[in-house]
Amino acid sequence: NAGVTQTPKFQVLKTGQSMTLQCAQDMNHNSMYWYRQDPGMGLRLIYYSASEGTTDKGEVPNGYNVSRLNKREFSLRLESAAPSQTSVYFCASSERSPAKNIQYFGAGTRLSVL
Amino acid sequence: GENVEQHPSTLSVQEGDSAVIKCTYSDSASNYFPWYKQELGKRPQLIIDIRSNVGEKKDQRIAVTLNKTAKHFSLHITETQPEDSAVYFCAASTQGSGAGSYQLTFGKGTKLSVIP
Repeated sequence: NAGVTQTPKFQVLKTGQSMTLQCAQDMNHNSMYWYRQDPGMGLRLIYYSASEGTTDKGEVPNGYNVSRLNKREFSLRLESAAPSQTSVYFCASSERSPAKNIQYFGAGTRLSVL
Repeated sequence: GENVEQHPSTLSVQEGDSAVIKCTYSDSASNYFPWYKQELGKRPQLIIDIRSNVGEKKDQRIAVTLNKTAKHFSLHITETQPEDSAVYFCAASTQGSGAGSYQLTFGKGTKLSVIP
């Protein structure tokens, strides 16, 4: 039981390049999330997927797209990377519950855009 | 949308002393409040949580209190140890835009340093 697995762990891009961050969970969770973490800013929600087949924007969705490929996998795509997207990206998953939304996080992807 | 404020942003305590971190939230519909600990270079991990129908919860040296009327909740760590040094995040759970969807809004974090 690996929990939430993210790939890659590190990535360096040039401005304008594209890439996809991969996330997979093996806990049979319905809901999955993508966050970015910047110094002093906490965790900010980019996109989330409440269940397979649905996706919704979070607090900072501009410049990103997501795909919920199946129940296990939720990918984040940067179509044209910008230096402002330099950050640590975390994927998380949880049960779909109104009263207990424990989110389990992956190890993160450190992205630098030059 | 929900707004979560967390204070202080940094906190230094002597080993063995207590540490208190406070958060306020804006959405009265929020009903679940978890606390996460993030060690340097690691992922956030849940350390304790509380539901809106409970006023206090304790787990060994860690406790959380919730005041729904005032819309604030606090994390208390007693007998602090060097391994408690980390960044701590509070969060509040709110309903998302889609039916049956729920999301967490996080505070900006508190960097706790425990001085041996």
